[in-house]
Amino acid sequence: AQSVTQLDSHVSVSEGTPVLLRCNYSSSYSPSLFWYVQHPNKGLQLLLKYTSAATLVKGINGFEAEFKKSETSFHLTKPSAHMSDAAEYFCVVISYNTDKLIFGTGTRLQVFP
Amino acid sequence: EAGVAQSPRYKIIEKRQSVAFWCNPISGHATLYWYQQILGQGPKLLIQFQNNGVVDDSQLPKDRFSAERLKGVDSTLKIQPAKLEDSAVYLCASSLGAVANTGELFFGEGSRLTVL
Repeated sequence: AQSVTQLDSHVSVSEGTPVLLRCNYSSSYSPSLFWYVQHPNKGLQLLLKYTSAATLVKGINGFEAEFKKSETSFHLTKPSAHMSDAAEYFCVVISYNTDKLIFGTGTRLQVFP
Repeated sequence: EAGVAQSPRYKIIEKRQSVAFWCNPISGHATLYWYQQILGQGPKLLIQFQNNGVVDDSQLPKDRFSAERLKGVDSTLKIQPAKLEDSAVYLCASSLGAVANTGELFFGEGSRLTVL
């Protein structure tokens, strides 16, 4: 069965500093992995997706993630945080036998001025 | 392009009362999903429709939850009777095709339920 584990429930950074949100996955197959973002009182929005093409995936708003099979990781990064990045971030894997999205527990990113 | 519409945005009820949530997906999206997001947790799939047929309702507590999608467009999710543990945000999402192909669901802003 596929699953994802988000290693940090909260991450706090200062504006202008790098962001790292960690996600490890478990999958019997070559996984399809995604990051979704949820701003307060807003719906979830797709940030980026990995579907077995390039291992470094670029998304919206300057975010990117690298698929590392040897580490079973798919960490989300951004070189310089903005105040508008403050939100909840979810790492997601597709369950191939059910075609369902399986969400991690989320990481709340706080950005301080 | 209009997004996924949900109503009401907020609802407060007492336990044992009933509540209904409505969702209008993006036009042309055949697949519709209802998720439950409890505070501090990731969204959990309750039910998935393909057009007006149920694809997966294995996680739906059928003794109290029901959902329908009439004419393959709008959908309603009902809870009767509500319990305290049903307090959550109910998210509706839609997709054009199979998630395995696109990975992208389009989510509404959610309906926040508080059960007292």
